[in-house]
Amino acid sequence: AQTVTQSQPEMSVQEAETVTLSCTYDTSESDYYLFWYKQPPSRQMILVIRQEAYKQQNATENRFSVNFQKAAKSFSLKISDSQLGDAAMYFCAYRSRLSGGGADGLTFGKGTHLIIQP
Amino acid sequence: DSGVTQTPKHLITATGQRVTLRCSPRSGDLSVYWYQQSLDQGLQFLIQYYNGEERAKGNILERFSAQQFPDLHSELNLSSLELGDSALYFCASSVGGLTYLYNEQFFGPGTRLTVL
Repeated sequence: AQTVTQSQPEMSVQEAETVTLSCTYDTSESDYYLFWYKQPPSRQMILVIRQEAYKQQNATENRFSVNFQKAAKSFSLKISDSQLGDAAMYFCAYRSRLSGGGADGLTFGKGTHLIIQP
Repeated sequence: DSGVTQTPKHLITATGQRVTLRCSPRSGDLSVYWYQQSLDQGLQFLIQYYNGEERAKGNILERFSAQQFPDLHSELNLSSLELGDSALYFCASSVGGLTYLYNEQFFGPGTRLTVL
């Protein structure tokens, strides 16, 4: 079974600064997806960014980018120019890409609470 | 708005009772997933259905069951409820199909279950 670990329960950053959230995972599979989800106080789950394990290039979405280190099984999220609206819980998630039978439920980490200081 | 709807938004019940949570997926999506978010367990995958058939089971208790109907909506049934079942239950949907094709999961707003 796969596991996802987020070692930072809470992080704080000044508005307009850069912050990096950490995630490590454990799997015996070679082909998978990794995701960062954002959960604001509304509780809605919002996909921030995804990374395919077979791609060496790190994914980027506007101010959000990842540092994917496959050998180290590390997948961190960098948020540049932090904004007040970025305040939320951030979850790292894993999904198999070649699981049998088309099963593709997500495995989540415990989350990191990101606080933005004005 | 993700296009996934869940009813009810809130549910308060007593221990030992049975409840049913409902989910309508986005138009065109064939896969439905159920997740539980609790303080103790975090966010965990419960079960997945694809076009009416069970496709994967996660950490779903035997007291819980789900089904997906011909119109593709899904219901999660929780019985013999315990205090620890209090949680936010999310439904998500995707086009589904082959796992090597990326299909984003779109989450509904969740149903907040409180067991007293």
